[in-house]
Parts: sequence; structure tokens; C-alpha cells
Amino acid sequence: GEDVEQSLFLSVREGDSSVINCTYTDSSSTYLYWYKQEPGAGLQLLTYIFSNMDMKQDQRLTVLLNKKDKHLSLRIADTQTGDSAIYFCAERFSASKIIFGSGTRLSIRP
Amino acid sequence: DADVTQTPRNRITKTGKRIMLECSQTKGHDRMYWYRQDPGLGLRLIYYSFDVKDINKGEISDGYSVSRQAQAKFSLSLESAIPNQTALYFCATSDTSGAGDEQFFGPGTRLTVL
Repeated sequence: GEDVEQSLFLSVREGDSSVINCTYTDSSSTYLYWYKQEPGAGLQLLTYIFSNMDMKQDQRLTVLLNKKDKHLSLRIADTQTGDSAIYFCAERFSASKIIFGSGTRLSIRP
Repeated sequence: DADVTQTPRNRITKTGKRIMLECSQTKGHDRMYWYRQDPGLGLRLIYYSFDVKDINKGEISDGYSVSRQAQAKFSLSLESAIPNQTALYFCATSDTSGAGDEQFFGPGTRLTVL
């Protein structure tokens, strides 16, 4: 079956780049998402990439998709304290079938 | 004002009680969803509705029921709550024209069943 895996924690120094990684097993999805969840809030879509793309850049965010290795990454440049959150990757197969990873908690060191 | 609201935000109840969680949206979306989130796990879909007269089971619907009272309202019920239903519950909405088919999430309801 479909599975999406992420490491649970990442700690980076303020100003450095953060790279959050995700692997998946089923490559028939249409989109791959990165969601951000701040404390006490719901998930907010950060960015997404079509499954036929290799890279997407949006300001400080860069998404890389390696279809051969079934690996998705999110790079946040110049990480700030406001980037502290839990980041979920997810695969969309249909409107009613989105498989979420378990989330990576990003903490920022001064 | 928030586009997707959930009430209550927190609830503690006892085993066997009936509980209703409510979701309202002002986004005008046809599609609504209920998910649960457990520590260390991703979100899992409980039920979804693509229109007022449409109700569909998700991955983990056992022990839950839903009602779509209007386009803007979608409620989730636990007929007889049990402790393993302790979780964070999220409502979400989407429409068919959104970029990337984005789902918009409410702030969540933290439910504890003792």
C-alpha cells in the first residue's frame, strides 16, 4: 500500500538552511504537498509540486522531487524563528485519498 | 474571521458518551472532510462529503458518523466514545478549482475520552 515517511525531528541554527526529507512508496500520485502546522492551528498548505516536475521554487522554499528514488525534499533558506512548526509531506492520489507522513518537527536554535 | 471553524476546540468526555464535533466554513466550498491526527502519525480520513447529499466513508470510519446539514456545515459524531478515539480532529474543505486541489483546514478539536 501507499506509505509516506519522514524523520520526526530536525534542529537548525537560525539563518541556516533547513532541509526536510520525505520518502514515499507509490509514485502514481498527481501532486505532492508540503503542509505546515503551527501550534494550536490546522495544517496550512505551504507549497505543492506536480508529480511530473523535478523542482519548484517559491521565495525561500525549494521543493525537489526525485522520482527514481521516490524522494521529496523541502529546503527552507535563511531559516527564521517563525519557521518553527511541524511540516507534513503528503501524496495526493484523489480528492479523497491523500496520504500524509507523520510530520517533521522543525526547531530553530539561536 | 477564520474561513473554517470548529467547535468545540477542546472536549473531555467519558467512555460511552455521545459526542458531536461541528465544522462550519465560509469559503463556499462544496467538499468537506473530517480527519483525525494521532501523535507520531499523519492525518487519516474519517469521512468526506462532496455535496450536501453526498456522504462517503474514509479510511477509518468505524465508530463515527457524519451529517452534512448544509453546504457550509459538516458535523462528526461519536455515538459511544471510547478511549482510543482520543485524538486531534480536523475538518477541511476544498473545491474543484483550487490550485493543487488545496484543502483548507480548521484549527482542530482536541478530544479526550476517559
